[in-house]
Amino acid sequence: AQSVAQPEDQVNVAEGNPLTVKCTYSVSGNPYLFWYVQYPNRGLQFLLKYITGDNLVKGSYGFEAEFNKSQTSFHLKKPSALVSDSALYFCAVRPRDNYGQNFVFGPGTRLSVLP
Amino acid sequence: GAGVSQTPSNKVTEKGKYVELRCDPISGHTALYWYRQSLGQGPEFLIYFQGTGAADDSGLPNDRFFAVRPEGSVSTLKIQRTERGDSAVYLCASSVQGGEKLFFGSGTQLSVL
Repeated sequence: AQSVAQPEDQVNVAEGNPLTVKCTYSVSGNPYLFWYVQYPNRGLQFLLKYITGDNLVKGSYGFEAEFNKSQTSFHLKKPSALVSDSALYFCAVRPRDNYGQNFVFGPGTRLSVLP
Repeated sequence: GAGVSQTPSNKVTEKGKYVELRCDPISGHTALYWYRQSLGQGPEFLIYFQGTGAADDSGLPNDRFFAVRPEGSVSTLKIQRTERGDSAVYLCASSVQGGEKLFFGSGTQLSVL
């Protein structure tokens, strides 16, 4: 069975400091990997994805994520956090083969950036 | 252009009643997904449509839940004999065929009293 773990319910970081939101997954094969963000009272928004190629992918709003195959991780990072980055972040996976097109989401991590 | 639209935004019903939740995807998106999100949890997959057919309905929790997409565009999620445990935010998302990026609606908050 596919699963996604986000080991931290909450991450607090001071504005201007680097941030990391962790994600590990358990999926057979090499899945597609994603990060989505949910701002208060708004729908989930796509941030970035890893399909193939360079292990460091860049996305919206200055976010990036690093794929580590051996550790089955896909941690979200940003060099300098903004207060406006405060939101709920979800890691997601989708199998690379055609069996099952559904995306599996992690439980989410609440990021609070303190001014 | 218009995004994914879900109506109603809020639905309050009584235990045992029937409800319908509507999703209007982005024009031209052939893939449509329904997810359910309970407080403090990530979206939980319910059903996936490719065109008019349900390609994967393995996430529907039981036979009280049913979804249709008769013309390959608008989809309706139907819940019979609602239970308090059905209370959650029901999310709809769409994408182009084979697309890796989902576009989500704002969700329908269902409250079963």
